[in-house]
Amino acid sequence: SQWGEENLQALSIQEGEDVTMNCSYKTYTTVVHWYRQDSGRGPALIILIRSNEREKRSGRLRATLDTSSQSSSLSITAAQCEDTAVYFCATDLDNYAQGLTFGLGTRVSVFP
Amino acid sequence: GPKVLQIPSHQIIDMGQMVTLNCDPVSNHLYFYWYKQILGQQMEFLVNFYNGKVMEKSKLFKDQFSVERPDGSYFTLKIQPTALEDSAVYFCASSPGLGVSAETLYFGSGTRLTVL
Repeated sequence: SQWGEENLQALSIQEGEDVTMNCSYKTYTTVVHWYRQDSGRGPALIILIRSNEREKRSGRLRATLDTSSQSSSLSITAAQCEDTAVYFCATDLDNYAQGLTFGLGTRVSVFP
Repeated sequence: GPKVLQIPSHQIIDMGQMVTLNCDPVSNHLYFYWYKQILGQQMEFLVNFYNGKVMEKSKLFKDQFSVERPDGSYFTLKIQPTALEDSAVYFCASSPGLGVSAETLYFGSGTRLTVL
C-alpha cells in the first residue's frame, strides 16, 4: 500500500479553532497534494507541497512536508463552518501515469 | 475554474445490465481518468486514457469495463455486464499532461451508480 497509518479520520472543532491533520506515505514522492471533498462533489486541489519545500502556505492553509519521515500535515487556521469537508492527501505513482493515489481522508466538521 | 461535467449524477440499474457513464472533460486537457469511490473509502484509480488509448489501468478495471472518447465527445466508462460490487461513485478527472503538468487533476462531481 502507498499509505501508512492515517493518524485521524474524523475531527470536530468549533469555529475559530485551528486544526491539523496528518498523513504518511510509504513510497517516495516529489509532491504531496492536499484535496478537499465536499459532500456530493469531487475532490478539489487546495494546496500542494514539493519535496524541496518544508512548508507551504495558502491563505489559512499551511502544509508541511517531512521527506525523511515521509509525512505531511495540513493545518487550517481559524476554521470556519465552510471548511467542513473531507481532506485527502495524495501522491503520484509512476509520474502520474496512474494519476494520484489518495489516502483514506480526514473528515473535518466545524461547528458554530 | 476549469470544470469537468459528469452525466448522470445518479444511475440505478439491475445487475447484469450495461451502463455508460459520461464525462465532459476540460476542453484543452489531454489525459483522462476514472476513479472509483465506495462509500467511506478512499478513491481508487481505475484507468488513464490518452490519445484514444488506455495508458494505465488498475486491477479494479475488470474485463467488463471499457473506456472510449469517440471524436472528442464524451469520455465514457462502460460496464457490461454490471455486478453488485460495481455500486460506487465514479469520478472522472482530466489533466493537461503528465508529469509536472499533471499536478492538478480536475475532478467532476461524480456519478453515483447503484446496481440492484
